[in-house]
Amino acid sequence: EAQVTQNPRYLITVTGKKLTVTCSQNMNHEYMSWYRQDPGLGLRQIYYSMNVEVTDKGDVPEGYKVSRKEKRNFPLILESPSPNQTSLYFCASSSGLAGAHEQYFGPGTRLTVT
Amino acid sequence: GQQLNQSPQSMFIQEGEDVSMNCTSSSIFNTWLWYKQDPGEGPVLLIALYKAGELTSNGRLTAQFGITRKDSFLNISASIPSDVGIYFCAGGPPDSNYQLIWGAGTKLIIKP
Repeated sequence: EAQVTQNPRYLITVTGKKLTVTCSQNMNHEYMSWYRQDPGLGLRQIYYSMNVEVTDKGDVPEGYKVSRKEKRNFPLILESPSPNQTSLYFCASSSGLAGAHEQYFGPGTRLTVT
Repeated sequence: GQQLNQSPQSMFIQEGEDVSMNCTSSSIFNTWLWYKQDPGEGPVLLIALYKAGELTSNGRLTAQFGITRKDSFLNISASIPSDVGIYFCAGGPPDSNYQLIWGAGTKLIIKP
């Protein structure tokens, strides 16, 4: 089954404790992206990757890091999480044939930072 | 940065009613897309529009790419309970094939 998987689905952590949210897709997609979703704000892009070893900042990259060492994986790293990073995070991928617009989303990771 | 104005913010409707929502922008877009998010899940693509004036249907859903390239609407005919959820519009700006600008969403609720 074609899918985007994220782990963990739920995470409660404390300020300053480094964490990684994993994202993997099995569709051989070139494009991958991370979003955060906050009430009333819709989806805001954090980082995206057009291909292996090619990443770029989205609209809200501060406090986040990403890497794309393999085509299928695109982990999101919070080196020193803060309470304002409490949010619902989505990973997405796209074949890139029509740009990155027709995206497949993962199920989401709900992060709480205390 | 660019913003999309999506309205209404929420809608309470009776089963069987038709629904209409729209997105507008002060900037032009090359692409308009409509996604739906069910509770506890990620958004799912409903309709993608690539040409100004284009009108596309997907079952009971119909969406149009505005002729000015600054707006789009989504209509749902004869709503059913599984239509509840949040509907998002997203626009692809002319200067990037790799980013989308998202609306804040329209929450659809069916009155019991």
